[in-house]
Amino acid sequence: EDQVTQSPEALRLQEGESSSLNCSYTVSGLRGLFWYRQDPGKGPEFLFTLYSAGEEKEKERLKATLTKKESFLHITAPKPEDSATYLCAVQALNAGNMLTFGGGTRLMVKP
Amino acid sequence: DVKVTQSSRYLVKRTGEKVFLECVQDMDHENMFWYRQDPGLGLRLIYFSYDVKMKEKGDIPEGYSVSREKKERFSLILESASTNQTSMYLCASSLGIGRTGNGYTFGSGTRLTVV
Repeated sequence: EDQVTQSPEALRLQEGESSSLNCSYTVSGLRGLFWYRQDPGKGPEFLFTLYSAGEEKEKERLKATLTKKESFLHITAPKPEDSATYLCAVQALNAGNMLTFGGGTRLMVKP
Repeated sequence: DVKVTQSSRYLVKRTGEKVFLECVQDMDHENMFWYRQDPGLGLRLIYFSYDVKMKEKGDIPEGYSVSREKKERFSLILESASTNQTSMYLCASSLGIGRTGNGYTFGSGTRLTVV
C-alpha cells in the first residue's frame, strides 16, 4: 500500500528563518511526486511535480528536491505570505491516476 | 486560465435534506474526484470517475452518491444530509492514465454545514 508521511505537522518560523518540510513516501514504483500549497478555506494549488531521484524544482523562495524515499520542500528566507498548509502527494506507476496524499505541514511565518 | 469550478463556496443545509454539490472543469480532463477534508484527517476520497457515466467508490462513499452525465461535470449528492457530513468538500480533475502533468487541479472548495 502506498503511504505518504509529512513532517512536521506544524512549523512556526520567524520571517527570514529558512527551513525544510519533509515528505517521506513508500510506493511501488513512482510515477510522480507533487507538492501543493493550500490557504485556509481554499483548495490546494499546484506547486511542483518531481519525477525521479535527484530532480529539483524552484519557484521564488521554494525549492523541492526528491530522493528515492523522500522529498524536501526548502523554504529560503520565508515571508508571512508563505504561511499555508503544504501538501505532498505521490502517484504510483500502477495506480492509474490516483494520488496518495500526506497529512500536510501547516507553516506559520511570523513577521 | 484553466479551472475547476465548484458551484458554492458556503452552504448550510438541514438534517435530512438532499444536497447537491456541483463541479465543472474546463480542461477536458478525463478524471474527476470528490474529497472531503477535515482537521486532523486530511483528504479523504469519496468517489471518483474516469469517464462519462463511470464512477468508482473511494475510501468513504457511505451516505454519498455521484453523477457524471457530461465529461466536464461531476456532481456529489448527499442523499440525506447528516451533521457528521459537515465538512470542506473539494472537487478535483486530472488527465487520463499515463499522463501525469500537474497531478490534480482542485476547485476552491465548498464548506458545507449541516444543522
